[in-house]
Amino acid sequence: DAKTTQPPSMDCAEGRAANLPCNHSTISGNEYVYWYRQIHSQGPQYIIHGLKNNETNEMASLIITEDRKSSTLILPHATLRDTAVYYCIVRVVTDKLIFGTGTRLQVFP
Amino acid sequence: EAGVTQFPSHSVIEKGQTVTLRCDPISGHDNLYWYRRVMGKEIKFLLHFVKESKQDESGMPNNRFLAERTGGTYSTLKVQPAELEDSGVYFCASSSFQGMAAEAFFGQGTRLTVV
Repeated sequence: DAKTTQPPSMDCAEGRAANLPCNHSTISGNEYVYWYRQIHSQGPQYIIHGLKNNETNEMASLIITEDRKSSTLILPHATLRDTAVYYCIVRVVTDKLIFGTGTRLQVFP
Repeated sequence: EAGVTQFPSHSVIEKGQTVTLRCDPISGHDNLYWYRRVMGKEIKFLLHFVKESKQDESGMPNNRFLAERTGGTYSTLKVQPAELEDSGVYFCASSSFQGMAAEAFFGQGTRLTVV
């Protein structure tokens, strides 16, 4: 079973920041938090991952709380093309990704 | 750099027939994964290769599914005989090294329909 909990859906206005929350209260000390997204029926697209520290790349920022029980993915300036299902995943020690149901983000004009 | 490539993109077969899906990982990636999403369900892990060896095949649903990765390059996933419940989208992913810090990149998937 997935070790994360996400809201089923969110809306965001184009050009605004999209903040997607994720709870992972049972995360172990050596497990990473990963974010992927799936646009329509394409393959999951890697966004970002982190262990303890906040991370930023060209796509997004990942904010992990100090106790590591939750995190937030931030898309700083959402566009219509960011409309997708976003998956927060705790990558387990066996290396596989366990997908949950994700958050369906709808970006509107 | 080419991404993960999967063939075919779509396949429609009759129940009882055999289908073989192919995945070409990113060049140099030793780790190759198969996942699938069946209708209305979440994406589920099937198995993980490190080079040509099966590292974890705990997600393979039954012995009708056979995955191979001869030579540690491309991989095939054969379903024989196919059943209606095998319909879904099969994804392949690859990563450059093993471990939880290595991001996996996915292909576009093969949509399998068993009729």
